[in-house]
Amino acid sequence: GQQLNQSPQSMFIQEGEDVSMNCTSSSIFNTWLWYKQDPGEGPVLLIALYKAGELTSNGRLTAQFGITRKDSFLNISASIPSDVGIYFCAGPTSGTYKYIFGTGTRLKVLA
Amino acid sequence: DTGVSQNPRHKITKRGQNVTFRCDPISEHNRLYWYRQTLGQGPEFLTYFQNEAQLEKSRLLSDRFSAERPKGSFSTLEIQRTEQGDSAMYLCANSGQGASGANVLTFGAGSRLTVL
Repeated sequence: GQQLNQSPQSMFIQEGEDVSMNCTSSSIFNTWLWYKQDPGEGPVLLIALYKAGELTSNGRLTAQFGITRKDSFLNISASIPSDVGIYFCAGPTSGTYKYIFGTGTRLKVLA
Repeated sequence: DTGVSQNPRHKITKRGQNVTFRCDPISEHNRLYWYRQTLGQGPEFLTYFQNEAQLEKSRLLSDRFSAERPKGSFSTLEIQRTEQGDSAMYLCANSGQGASGANVLTFGAGSRLTVL
């Protein structure tokens, strides 16, 4: 089915480093959502973006809604061990309430 | 607890058996979603309801799958004649209009199905 592409697929970083990941789509989105998922749990919302060019922060996390409306970016500053998990982008397909999810970026933080 | 509740959390069944999962949403949110997630993949859309009306179904939802939301409150997802390929995490999410949670999905913890 239709999916959003995320990169990188996985990353290993040292504690304290900054992290950047992105999400791209072949079609325009009006909303971008970023989620984090821990093993065996459901995804938890981190940040929601509603306008092209919007930059929104949530603690050490910052996300941006790309101006082309076909991409979004998530940055994590000064990573800590509890940032470990899988990060997903998501958004509603045009004109619907059907939300699709990206392929995920798996983050591992080395202490 | 004001979150989305899913039961059971884990289900192990033999191939060919029927299973049913239940989702109790955040009461004030009127859209309810079901997703399937296999290991290493993102959640895949199955279906969603607006109140009691099922508005969209994925082609992933074969005729062995049926979802209901009687009275627009809780929802059930039933899988008949389970196959090993049905093994996955089944996630329920809630969204709705209004100041709280508008245009975002709030997920339950999921129901993990293992078909032997």
